[in-house]
Amino acid sequence: SQTIHQWPATLVQPVGSPLSLECTVEGTSNPNLYWYRQAAGRGLQLLFYSVGIGQISSEVPQNLSASRPQDRQFILSSKKLLLSDSGFYLCAWSVTIGTEAFFGQGTRLTVV
Amino acid sequence: GQQVMQIPQYQHVQEGEDFTTYCNSSTTLSNIQWYKQRPGGHPVFLIQLVKSGEVKKQKRLTFQFGEAKKNSSLHITATQTTDVGTYFCAGPGSNTGKLIFGQGTTLQVKP
Repeated sequence: SQTIHQWPATLVQPVGSPLSLECTVEGTSNPNLYWYRQAAGRGLQLLFYSVGIGQISSEVPQNLSASRPQDRQFILSSKKLLLSDSGFYLCAWSVTIGTEAFFGQGTRLTVV
Repeated sequence: GQQVMQIPQYQHVQEGEDFTTYCNSSTTLSNIQWYKQRPGGHPVFLIQLVKSGEVKKQKRLTFQFGEAKKNSSLHITATQTTDVGTYFCAGPGSNTGKLIFGQGTTLQVKP
């Protein structure tokens, strides 16, 4: 069966520090991968999605970037965090674009 | 751009009461999906509806897809405290196919 791993679960980082969040999927090949951000009590904002290795689409201009160095690995990064980067970051995968999405446990990021 | 709207944003009910959340898309959807996010948790896929007018049930949950495939609803009969959470609808965007999520309806159930 397929599983998605996302870590860390919680992170507190100072303003200006770098960020690296990692997500891996097991049990499937060539998944579509997504990074979402959820502000407290709000909906899901799609940040990046990827249909294959090295293929990244950005949804909104921001202080973040994403990379997909391997088929089942998706990384969210920042060179310098801002206070506004705080939030709940969720990685997800789907078989094809637009089909049911399976979410990781999420990373709660607080920038201080 | 294409939007998926959900109402209400919040709903407080007494345990045993019914609950309904509504989802409306600005464009026709090829399918509609529903997710549940428990407090502090991550969204979990509940169901997908594909056909116009489709109705599906999962125990006390009833999901409907409108005839025009632009709206959907989730109805919970006799809510329980385990139903607490935020319910999201989502549909594929017409241009790119990426899932567009509604803002969610947060359900609180008073015991």
